[in-house]
Amino acid sequence: DIQMTQSPASLSASLGETVSIECLASEDIYSYLAWYQQKPGKSPQLLIYAANRLQDGVPSRFSGSGSGTQYSLKISGMQPEDEGDYFCLQGSKFPLTFGSGTKLEIK
Amino acid sequence: EVQLVESGGGLVQPGRSLKLSCAASGFTFSNYGMAWVRQTPTKGLEWVASISTGGGNTYYRDSVKGRFTISRDNAKNTQYLQMDSLRSEDTATYYCARWGNTLFDYWGQGVMVTVSS
Repeated sequence: DIQMTQSPASLSASLGETVSIECLASEDIYSYLAWYQQKPGKSPQLLIYAANRLQDGVPSRFSGSGSGTQYSLKISGMQPEDEGDYFCLQGSKFPLTFGSGTKLEIK
Repeated sequence: EVQLVESGGGLVQPGRSLKLSCAASGFTFSNYGMAWVRQTPTKGLEWVASISTGGGNTYYRDSVKGRFTISRDNAKNTQYLQMDSLRSEDTATYYCARWGNTLFDYWGQGVMVTVSS
């Protein structure tokens, strides 16, 4: 199985700050990577797919980058509504696997 | 508007069965693969199973292979997850998700399954 190592596990950021979350795959996943945001008691919402494609309706302060085994999600200018949990997902090979998540809070 | 509504969750004893349903609306159901994903506080998010547009191809994680069956009825815009021989480790919130080139782009609200005696 492809392991997705996500870091950091938690992060505290000030309003307006730029934050980054990383996912490292145990093998090349050829940019078959998505990023999700999840608020408490809600289902995950797609932010980024194909490593760097912004899902319709997602604010442009969210961006994704990476290739091969290393990927990152960047939030350029933290907003209050960005608090929540963030997960990566690899879709290169079955079983599809998620990162363990990053809890993002306002400082 | 895309909507996915799960139903069928509940409390069930170990070894028993449960069938989840996911009613889809707001898109052409037969044009999309579908999937089930589960979540627990300890294990996080786990992909469970996926099914192709016509239902001819199905995929499962190893821990549910032979016990769970994913299926769909394109005439009813509904997908299902038949869960047999349930174990305590199957306890989770189960999400229905639309599966395509963007991976899982829409998710249902989730349904709780608790396996306990």
